[in-house]
Amino acid sequence: KNEVEQSPQNLTAQEGEFITINCSYSVGISALHWLQQHPGGGIVSLFMLSSGKKKHGRLIATINIQEKHSSLHITASHPRDSAVYICAVKGGSEKLVFGKGTKLTVNP
Amino acid sequence: KAGVTQTPRYLIKTRGQQVTLSCSPISGHRSVSWYQQTPGQGLQFLFEYFSETQRNKGNFPGRFSGRQFSNSRSEMNVSTLELGDSALYLCASSPPLGYNEQFFGPGTRLTVL
Repeated sequence: KNEVEQSPQNLTAQEGEFITINCSYSVGISALHWLQQHPGGGIVSLFMLSSGKKKHGRLIATINIQEKHSSLHITASHPRDSAVYICAVKGGSEKLVFGKGTKLTVNP
Repeated sequence: KAGVTQTPRYLIKTRGQQVTLSCSPISGHRSVSWYQQTPGQGLQFLFEYFSETQRNKGNFPGRFSGRQFSNSRSEMNVSTLELGDSALYLCASSPPLGYNEQFFGPGTRLTVL
């Protein structure tokens, strides 16, 4: 079993829809990251959180430490949000461990 | 401020050769981490350097090595290349404060023939 599990693997939405991507992890962590990767490979760090909730524009990230679960929400989705979204956790080893990613496609 | 830069962006090598990839972090960042991304395994941590010292290492064979210079620039080296080393190699730098936040470079795509 992977230390970090993401769901769904693939997600297709219509422009304007509310999107949720989930991340579950099995180890104690010091921080959880949400990353965005566009075709071509470039990765952008969206959020780093260790508790509660963070919001940036149309993106919201939440984490429940007791349940070892985090969600990334996108409100009013847009075709430019199409990308792979990756969850990563930093545990006791201080190494980042990554989920397999969720490929999001938003159609106009 | 300039972002993280990696050179070269693309590289083609043959089995048995060795390769050196370079990463220049954002000015003022002293921590540099390296990652390998393949379609099968996804993103995997290779190693992290801070102030010229390796601070952490992933589960990769000894053919993978790295170093960091006094100006925080980092290199990674892969010797005796194998087909399975074909991947996107990413480096990321972190600021002195908020040390967990990572800023990624564009990556070097290595193809081993």
